[in-house]
Amino acid sequence: GNSVTQMEGPVTLSEEAFLTINCTYTATGYPSLFWYVQYPGEGLQLLLKATKADDKGSNKGFEATYRKETTSFHLEKGSVQVSDSAVYFCAPSNDYKLSFGAGTTVTVRA
Amino acid sequence: KAGVTQTPRYLIKTRGQQVTLSCSPISGHRSVSWYQQTPGQGLQFLFEYFSETQRNKGNFPGRFSGRQFSNSRSEMNVSTLELGDSALYLCASSGGVGRVTEAFFGQGTRLTVV
Repeated sequence: GNSVTQMEGPVTLSEEAFLTINCTYTATGYPSLFWYVQYPGEGLQLLLKATKADDKGSNKGFEATYRKETTSFHLEKGSVQVSDSAVYFCAPSNDYKLSFGAGTTVTVRA
Repeated sequence: KAGVTQTPRYLIKTRGQQVTLSCSPISGHRSVSWYQQTPGQGLQFLFEYFSETQRNKGNFPGRFSGRQFSNSRSEMNVSTLELGDSALYLCASSGGVGRVTEAFFGQGTRLTVV
């Protein structure tokens, strides 16, 4: 089965700082890769995705590149806002399921 | 377009009871998946249904079961509830066809077992 190692949190940043959350995975076959975000009290929202090697997913200023050779999918944002405070989950997908990392809690201070 | 709807949002049950949770997918979506979220174990996959057929299931005891109806709505059932079943249960829907299908999640059902 799949497994995901995600950067431990919590991460606390000041507004406009650079954010990176590391994610590496092991998976059978050739998974699609996703980042999901969970805001306080809410369900999961898809943040971005990549479906093949060297694909770059991007959304709301966040980016992640599918690195097959290093089995990694690190999330980055150049300038975070208070509204980016949330829990972020890395998730490879195959066999009709998502395998989630432990989640990284990010808090952005004004 | 309405999103994924889960009912009820909150439930309190007693040990030994059983519970049924409901999920209505996005219109046109044929795949429904269920996940359990707890502080200790994180997000764990329970099972996935497509056109009323279970295509994959996670490592949960047989007390956890699910089904999908012809209109793609899904239910999951937990029998003989244990304290450790207290969790947020999330349902996700997707088109389910093809290699890459994005999953859209509902708000979840918060189950508390006392």
